[in-house]
Amino acid sequence: NAGVTQTPKFQVLKTGQSMTLQCAQDMNHEYMSWYRQDPGMGLRLIHYSVGAGITDQGEVPNGYNVSRSTTEDFPLRLLSAAPSQTSVYFCASAASVAGGGTDTQYFGPGTRLTVL
Amino acid sequence: GNSVTQMEGPVTLSEEAFLTINCTYTATGYPSLFWYVQYPGEGLQLLLKATKADDKGSNKGFEATYRKETTSFHLEKGSVQVSDSAVYFCALSDYQAGTALIFGKGTTLSVSS
Repeated sequence: NAGVTQTPKFQVLKTGQSMTLQCAQDMNHEYMSWYRQDPGMGLRLIHYSVGAGITDQGEVPNGYNVSRSTTEDFPLRLLSAAPSQTSVYFCASAASVAGGGTDTQYFGPGTRLTVL
Repeated sequence: GNSVTQMEGPVTLSEEAFLTINCTYTATGYPSLFWYVQYPGEGLQLLLKATKADDKGSNKGFEATYRKETTSFHLEKGSVQVSDSAVYFCALSDYQAGTALIFGKGTTLSVSS
């Protein structure tokens, strides 16, 4: 199992450019999510999905779009990059458990994004 | 709302010292509690977890006990090693509030030989 994979590892964008961060998992997990990590802020949830075709906003969704057409993939789109989106982005996945909620979340290695 | 507060770092220790990283939480329901570790340049890995009050999670010599009465989940290790140098995150997952993990801001641990 590859677990959770993310591409690219590093990316530099200019203000106003758009791009997609890729995330894939091979564990057949229903739940997937995107976080951003900033110094002194911990990890903040951007968007999440509880299954194919279902997405919802997290704590900091502005400027980002997601879709979930398959169980395996959960791409994050930056529509018009801004310097405030300079961050490290982590994707995570987890199995759902009976009664609601999720089991342990598994994280990808991250994408370090710089917006100039 | 739900939140996690953990002690500010950095924490600097000598090898074989005792480690405590404090974590307290606020939750409206009955959360599960986690400690994740992030080694330099890597993603987060689950270190240990506890799903109900009085549960003790343990892994790699680290332990944490879910204390409902004090709303705490402090991380401890009896003898740290240089290889334990990392950032440690306390987190909670409240099934009634949704499925997302809520993280503390992280505590950097640096262990010297």
